[in-house]
Amino acid sequence: KQEVTQIPAALSVPEGENLVLNCSFTDSAIYNLQWFRQDPGKGLTSLLLIQSSQREQTSGRLNASLDKSSGRSTLYIAASQPGDSATYLCAVNDEGKSTFGDGTTLTVKP
Amino acid sequence: GAVVSQHPSRVICKSGTSVKIECRSLDFQATTMFWYRQFPKQSLMLMATSNEGSKATYEQGVEKDKFLINHASLTLSTLTVTSAHPEDSSFYICSARRTTVAGELFFGEGSRLTVL
Repeated sequence: KQEVTQIPAALSVPEGENLVLNCSFTDSAIYNLQWFRQDPGKGLTSLLLIQSSQREQTSGRLNASLDKSSGRSTLYIAASQPGDSATYLCAVNDEGKSTFGDGTTLTVKP
Repeated sequence: GAVVSQHPSRVICKSGTSVKIECRSLDFQATTMFWYRQFPKQSLMLMATSNEGSKATYEQGVEKDKFLINHASLTLSTLTVTSAHPEDSSFYICSARRTTVAGELFFGEGSRLTVL
């Protein structure tokens, strides 16, 4: 059974800092890994999708990496802004089913 | 990006009534949709996988007679909470995967159900 762990559970940083969110998974036989953002009381917004054959994906200030063999992914956020405050979830997809981590709640202070 | 629409966003009902939540993929066809439940400050719990034209596949511990799922078309799946009770109050979110099993997953905005 796939298990996904996200560390840290919460993170508070001053505006402008670069930061890294971590996601680890137990079964490396995955199709892809996806990072999401969730604002309070809202659904999930897809940020980045990394296929199992890829090592990283970039979108603006976001960069996600994938090391399938070690079961790890990181989400790097450059020059953080207060608007980045949200909960970030990673999801590992295998055989069509997605397993989610518990998320990292990020607070960026002005 | 692809859009998944969920309706209603909020619903309040009396105990014992049934509530239907709709999930639509607006700009792509989704042969498979997923229904999740999320408790406050917790991650998503997969309830069931909805397959177009066939019966839904429920996760262990989810009552299929209480949470009725219908996937009548390639763009619409519905979740009906039957005989709702206060403990069914939660945030329900649907998602749809575009194209293949390795396709990107898109989520609806979620539906907040409150049962009085």
